[in-house]
Amino acid sequence: SQTIHQWPATLVQPVGSPLSLECTVEGTSNPNLYWYRQAAGRGLQLLFYSVGIGQISSEVPQNLSASRPQDRQFILSSKKLLLSDSGFYLCAWSEHWLDTEAFFGQGTRLTVV
Amino acid sequence: KQEVTQIPAALSVPEGENLVLNCSFTDSAIYNLQWFRQDPGKGLTSLLLIQSSQREQTSGRLNASLDKSSGRSTLYIAASQPGDSATYLCAVRFGNEKLTFGTGTRLTIIP
Repeated sequence: SQTIHQWPATLVQPVGSPLSLECTVEGTSNPNLYWYRQAAGRGLQLLFYSVGIGQISSEVPQNLSASRPQDRQFILSSKKLLLSDSGFYLCAWSEHWLDTEAFFGQGTRLTVV
Repeated sequence: KQEVTQIPAALSVPEGENLVLNCSFTDSAIYNLQWFRQDPGKGLTSLLLIQSSQREQTSGRLNASLDKSSGRSTLYIAASQPGDSATYLCAVRFGNEKLTFGTGTRLTIIP
């Protein structure tokens, strides 16, 4: 069966520090991968998605970047965190076809102080 | 613009009652619609997936319906239990790789 792992679960980082959140999927190949952010009291905002290794689509201009160095690994990064980067970050995957179900990781709570 | 709306934002229901959560979307050209559950501080758990060609899907006490022409979906929960308390999110795939989410309905089941 397929599983998705996301870590760390919580993170407190000072303003201006770098960020690296990692997400891996097991039990499937060539999945679509997604990073979402959920701010307090707001809906899920799609940040990045990837349909293959090295293929990253950005949804909103921001202080973050994403990379997909391996088929089932998706990394969310920042060189210098801002206070506004605080939030709940969720990784998700789905099969490569448009009619398939999406599955989410357990999320990372990021607090920038 | 493709949008998903969930009303109400919060709902409280006595235990044992049946209830309906609503989701509306702006574009009828969808691939599928998915209902999720989110517990506080946790990730999203997929509950039901309805393809664009389907009218409803059922899983246990949950039944989701889809009416593309009116841009609406409902999630029906039968015989509600305190463990059903969570935020319920509706997400629509509008014909590309992305899922567009509603802001959710926070459901509280009162024992």
